[in-house]
Amino acid sequence: GAVVSQHPSRVICKSGTSVKIECRSLDFQATTMFWYRQFPKQSLMLMATSNEGSKATYEQGVEKDKFLINHASLTLSTLTVTSAHPEDSSFYICSAFRVNTEAFFGQGTRLTVV
Amino acid sequence: AQSVTQLGSHVSVSEGALVLLRCNYSSSVPPYLFWYVQYPNQGLQLLLKYTTGATLVKGINGFEAEFKKSETSFHLTKPSAHMSDAAEYFCAVNDAGGTSYGKLTFGQGTILTVHP
Repeated sequence: GAVVSQHPSRVICKSGTSVKIECRSLDFQATTMFWYRQFPKQSLMLMATSNEGSKATYEQGVEKDKFLINHASLTLSTLTVTSAHPEDSSFYICSAFRVNTEAFFGQGTRLTVV
Repeated sequence: AQSVTQLGSHVSVSEGALVLLRCNYSSSVPPYLFWYVQYPNQGLQLLLKYTTGATLVKGINGFEAEFKKSETSFHLTKPSAHMSDAAEYFCAVNDAGGTSYGKLTFGQGTILTVHP
């Protein structure tokens, strides 16, 4: 099946700093990628839809200025958590949608803000 | 709006026993339905999906699910549980077609425990 690579798998950062997470589709072009957030023992909640060459579409309640999404190419989307705080600590997962098939998920990124 | 309800946040079975994980959905259009498995600190792996056609869908690792439109259900089953099946399972729905194609709504997840 298609491969989606997410990097880094784990990151620890200090409060107030920014962290960038990359999501790459390795063997197909993804015009659309999705970013999810998963709190401990909870389900995945969609944060935003990332569209190549245009602005991301954010779900209600998600701060677009805090969670910056860039989808500059057909194989790469990045999520930057700006001015991170401990409450931003979570598991972030991306998925890349392949037309006429399904969404393929990255391995996830465990963010810990200290 | 679409939604997914997984009945039972925890399911415990003995090795070799039947696995049944329940999923009900609501959708305003014919849905695409998915089951994913997640191991600790990992991403999601697709077990199986229903899009169109045969309502009984077979997936990987011996899992299968049946789409029942009249019951708005898509329950996941496996005849005989293995220890390696212990994980968290998510049911998800996607409205077929339209601008939301590929965007998934997930259920709350069910943690499956398998006892020796």
